[in-house]
Amino acid sequence: AQSVAQPEDQVNVAEGNPLTVKCTYSVSGNPYLFWYVQYPNRGLQFLLKYITGDNLVKGSYGFEAEFNKSQTSFHLKKPSALVSDSALYFCAVSDSASKIIFGSGTRLSIRP
Amino acid sequence: NAGVMQNPRHLVRRRGQEARLRCSPMKGHSHVYWYRQLPEEGLKFMVYLQKENIIDESGMPKERFSAEFPKEGPSILRIQQVVRGDSAAYFCASSPAGQGFGYTFGSGTRLTVV
Repeated sequence: AQSVAQPEDQVNVAEGNPLTVKCTYSVSGNPYLFWYVQYPNRGLQFLLKYITGDNLVKGSYGFEAEFNKSQTSFHLKKPSALVSDSALYFCAVSDSASKIIFGSGTRLSIRP
Repeated sequence: NAGVMQNPRHLVRRRGQEARLRCSPMKGHSHVYWYRQLPEEGLKFMVYLQKENIIDESGMPKERFSAEFPKEGPSILRIQQVVRGDSAAYFCASSPAGQGFGYTFGSGTRLTVV
């Protein structure tokens, strides 16, 4: 069975600073990994995914994520945070044969 | 190309009534997934459907909940005899085929049971 953990309920960063949102996963076989963002009272928006290939994946709005197989991690990063990045971020994993499982979410707060 | 359409956006039901939530997937998408999100919590998988078939319903409560995705028309998530604990946001997602594509989500239906 697959699972995903987001150890931080909330991450606070000053605008202009780099940000990292952590994610670790467990899956049998090769993982399919995703990041989604949710703004208040909205559905989830796709940010990026890792299926295979380069371990550094670039996505929407300047976000990127690094797949680390040995640490079973897929942390989300951005070099310079914007106030508009404040939202709820979900990491998700699939073993390619079944549904996608989501983490509990990390609330990102960017202060001006 | 319209995205995933869910309706209604908000639904209020009294305890004991039935709730019907509709989801029209993106054009060309034949896989539909339903998730439930309780306040301040993550998304919990409920059911995965393809046209006329339930592929995985491991996240569906054993009673009162059912889902379908007919050959024609939207996918329906049906909750019978609703209780206060059913109050949540219900999200539908679709994909063209397989998990590698990721999902496209609808805006959700917020169910309130009074």
